[in-house]
Amino acid sequence: EPEVTQTPSHQVTQMGQEVILRCVPISNHLYFYWYRQILGQKVEFLVSFYNNEISEKSEIFDDQFSVERPDGSNFTLKIRSTKLEDSAMYFCASRDDRGPHTEAFFGQGTRLTVV
Amino acid sequence: SQQGEEDPQALSIQEGENATMNCSYKTSINNLQWYRQNSGRGLVHLILIRSNEREKHSGRLRVTLDTSKKSSSLLITASRAADTASYFCATVRDDKIIFGKGTRLHILP
Repeated sequence: EPEVTQTPSHQVTQMGQEVILRCVPISNHLYFYWYRQILGQKVEFLVSFYNNEISEKSEIFDDQFSVERPDGSNFTLKIRSTKLEDSAMYFCASRDDRGPHTEAFFGQGTRLTVV
Repeated sequence: SQQGEEDPQALSIQEGENATMNCSYKTSINNLQWYRQNSGRGLVHLILIRSNEREKHSGRLRVTLDTSKKSSSLLITASRAADTASYFCATVRDDKIIFGKGTRLHILP
């Protein structure tokens, strides 16, 4: 069964450093998402991406964040100048473009720890 | 905010009993979806109900949607230990999928 894969599963980084979280969406999907979940809390929408551009973003997704689809298969989230409060699980998701009534498939997440 | 709000925040029931979780939201939607998350893992899609539907079934799951009240409920019948997880409703509008805060369900043996 096709799945969304995320790497790494766990990333530890020094405060102020840049990190890139990687995702490989399901191959025929065209909508991509990043979400953040601080431990035990709600799943927060960060950004959606369609047709090689951001289609929606939340207030959380400020200039510190960027997304990219560098090679037609990977979908990355870059966090610049990381802060302690960026520590969270980051989930990537994808869905196909058969309209809005399709489920999103989620990866297993990357646990980011900023120290 | 479009965000769904689930209640209760936590629910403990005996194995074999039914579990009901509710979700309320604020804006118009295309559809509403329910997801499950086992501790520390990714979200798994359970069921989708479109805005023009009122009820949907899938195995032991039953979802209702009342767009006039902007609310939905998820019923899990004959609960099992493996149903222990967090359950999230997610409202979908255009490209955005917004999750509620979730209900932590614990099935007691």
